[in-house]
Order: sequence, then structure tokens, then C-alpha cells
Amino acid sequence: DAKTTQPTSMDCAEGRAANLPCNHSTISGNEYVYWYRQIHSQGPQYIIHGLKNNETNEMASLIITEDRKSSTLILPHATLRDTAVYYCIVRAAGYGQNFVFGPGTRLSVLP
Amino acid sequence: NAGVTQTPKFQVLKTGQSMTLQCAQDMNHEYMSWYRQDPGMGLRLIHYSVGAGITDQGEVPNGYNVSRSTTEDFPLRLLSAAPSQTSVYFCASSYGASGQPQHFGDGTRLSIL
Repeated sequence: DAKTTQPTSMDCAEGRAANLPCNHSTISGNEYVYWYRQIHSQGPQYIIHGLKNNETNEMASLIITEDRKSSTLILPHATLRDTAVYYCIVRAAGYGQNFVFGPGTRLSVLP
Repeated sequence: NAGVTQTPKFQVLKTGQSMTLQCAQDMNHEYMSWYRQDPGMGLRLIHYSVGAGITDQGEVPNGYNVSRSTTEDFPLRLLSAAPSQTSVYFCASSYGASGQPQHFGDGTRLSIL
């Protein structure tokens, strides 16, 4: 079972920031938070991941609360091509650790 | 840079047939894995490999075989296809295991009649 809770769906206006929340209240100290997205029926696309510090890359920013029980993925300037299902995943380091994809958040970017 | 390449993209089989799903990566990743995704469900790990010559079972290995003769390739074999194996299959790869993200292919959509 997924260890995360996400809203089922969200809308965002094109050009605005999209803030996608994720709750992972049972996260362990050695578990990372990963964000992926799936556009249509393509393969999951890696976005960003972190352990306890906030992270930023060319696609997004990841804000992890100090107690690590929740996080927020920020797409700074959403475009129509960002419409997708976004998955927040908690996974420990180590071989054979499964990526458990829950239902995710369906983000619709509106013109 | 092609990333993770899966072939074929679509396949229809009859019950009892065998086939091999191909997966290749050009990123020199040590770790490769196979998942299946059923409608409305998350991805489930079938088999994985930590390097050439080394494979291990995941959550749902029954009915599937794998081998890893090279770093680049990680084929998944269905021994005797069953309707319950109708699914979308994803291959993924990554560097090592210490928190590195996995990169996924675009999947093989398999239907067993």
C-alpha cells in the first residue's frame, strides 16, 4: 500500500505556480520522498526527490516540512503540457525497494 | 541519449504462448527492474537486477523469468502467457541503490486472450 496521501485532483491556471501537497506522516528516517508524473499512458517521468532538505531543479521545487511528515511539489510556471497525474512516493534506499505508486493527483492546467 | 527503451510497444498473445519483452538502457546504470501496472493500481515490482549476472525476485515474480547478461539489457520472459498477465509493463533503471531515482521506459502494453 502507498504510504502517502494526495488530493485526487487539482486545477491550476496556465502561467501560475502549481502547488501539489503530499502527506507522509509515517515516513521513516531512511526513506526518501520522490515525485513522478505520468502523462497520458506514457512511462512515469522522474521530477525530483529529497530526504530532508528542500530541493530544486530545472523542473520543480520540493519543500519538505521539518518533521518530514508532509511535502509540497511546486511547478513555478505551469504550462498546458504539465497536465498529468503526479505521484508522491516514499521509498527507502536499497536494492529491491519497490516504488509504490498510489492513485496520485490529477493536475489540470487550464488556459 | 535514448534513456530506457522498451520493445515492443504493444503485443497481443494467446493463452499459453511465450514471449520476451525487451528493455535496454544507454546510461550505464547498474540497477534495472521490471514493473507491471494494472488499471487503477500502482506499479508492482516483478524482478530486478543489481548488475550483470545478478537478478532477484520482486513482489510478483510468478510466471516471469529474467536474465542480465550485459549491463545494457534486461529482458523479461513470459513462460506461458495467462489472461491475468494482461497489463502494462514498465522497465526502469538507475545508478546504484542509495536513494537514486529510477528512470522508466514508455511501457509495453500486453494483452493475453
